[in-house]
Amino acid sequence: SAVISQKPSRDICQRGTSLTIQCQVDSQVTMMFWYRQQPGQSLTLIATANQGSEATYESGFVIDKFPISRPNLTFSTLTVSNMSPEDSSIYLCSVDRFQSDEQFFGPGTRLTVL
Amino acid sequence: AQTVTQSQPEMSVQEAETVTLSCTYDTSESDYYLFWYKQPPSRQMILVIRQEAYKQQNATENRFSVNFQKAAKSFSLKISDSQLGDAAMYFCAYRPGANSKLTFGKGITLSVRP
Repeated sequence: SAVISQKPSRDICQRGTSLTIQCQVDSQVTMMFWYRQQPGQSLTLIATANQGSEATYESGFVIDKFPISRPNLTFSTLTVSNMSPEDSSIYLCSVDRFQSDEQFFGPGTRLTVL
Repeated sequence: AQTVTQSQPEMSVQEAETVTLSCTYDTSESDYYLFWYKQPPSRQMILVIRQEAYKQQNATENRFSVNFQKAAKSFSLKISDSQLGDAAMYFCAYRPGANSKLTFGKGITLSVRP
């Protein structure tokens, strides 16, 4: 399985500010996925990030609120913009194992917005 | 649209006993993949087991096995010889193929009684 790291592991932010979450993979991957897990809830896909093209967003998520970068095949960032307390969640990145349908997750970033 | 349903929010099992977690799904696809993920309090998502829909044989990984009923669209997880470390949230997930998104159920909280 791929080794995936995320930074920061947790943060407490003020309303109206933005936070950028980094996801680093130890091998090259085609697609990276960003999920949100609200408190006590399941995971919901925010967007899929392909290297060299715009991210593809799921219904209910927009680029202005969650801009994503994918500068190379091992790295991606997700920014949570103009945060409100409703953005308090765990944000997870994930990748597929090489030539596999299995998806592996990073350790997550726990975000609290005051 | 694909949906995944986990109707039991919580379950409890005695240590060393066996427990079965239920999951149903809805899809119009004939080929797809099903997964069970474990999320302990550390929030790391851990892949427990996977099943390919075109395989009739139920997947098994050590103490974990599934009962896959394709016609009924049912995918239950059986944990044998339950251990204290099995206590976690368990999510059932579906994806139609590699490089596609995972659709998760709401999850079930499993507690293990010593």
